[in-house]
Amino acid sequence: SQQGEEDPQALSIQEGENATMNCSYKTSINNLQWYRQNSGRGLVHLILIRSNEREKHSGRLRVTLDTSKKSSSLLITASRAADTASYFCATTGNQFYFGTGTSLTVIP
Amino acid sequence: EAGVAQSPRYKIIEKRQSVAFWCNPISGHATLYWYQQILGQGPKLLIQFQNNGVVDDSQLPKDRFSAERLKGVDSTLKIQPAKLEDSAVYLCASSLEQLRDGYTFGSGTRLTVV
Repeated sequence: SQQGEEDPQALSIQEGENATMNCSYKTSINNLQWYRQNSGRGLVHLILIRSNEREKHSGRLRVTLDTSKKSSSLLITASRAADTASYFCATTGNQFYFGTGTSLTVIP
Repeated sequence: EAGVAQSPRYKIIEKRQSVAFWCNPISGHATLYWYQQILGQGPKLLIQFQNNGVVDDSQLPKDRFSAERLKGVDSTLKIQPAKLEDSAVYLCASSLEQLRDGYTFGSGTRLTVV
């Protein structure tokens, strides 16, 4: 079953703008991870945030985690056309489950 | 380091036929997962191995799907007989430590059942 649910399902922005995606999940977790998937390709691990962390940065990525609300957000700053992809959150608690994904389109 | 290798890259079969997918995880990675990703959806966990033992196969349709990981390294996933709804991308992932680290995914096998 899907543990997480991303919001929005689809997002279209201009190059240079920031993109924010949200993930809500259902049960307690050990950590939460974000992945990117380009069309027809495998998933690429972007960033992992542990349950005792609230914010994490990696390059142009910023992830927040609110365990009280069971939610996380992924912010991509200064977006590029190459960021066009689907983004998934994945939670690890007892198991490792993916959300439904956000499809991001960055228009050059 | 070499990534997770999967083969074949594509497979087209008729319904009721059988098919097998192969995965070679990153060397030393004890945890191996098989996921099914239907077009437009997130990956769905089918089975998780820790070394050569099954940790979770609760979502594996055991009447037609089977998987093994002999010697705790390579793994194969088999479907017999295939149904039209099995058309999907089958992804293999591995991790050094269960549930604690990021996972490395293979490129997947795209199965089309006609």
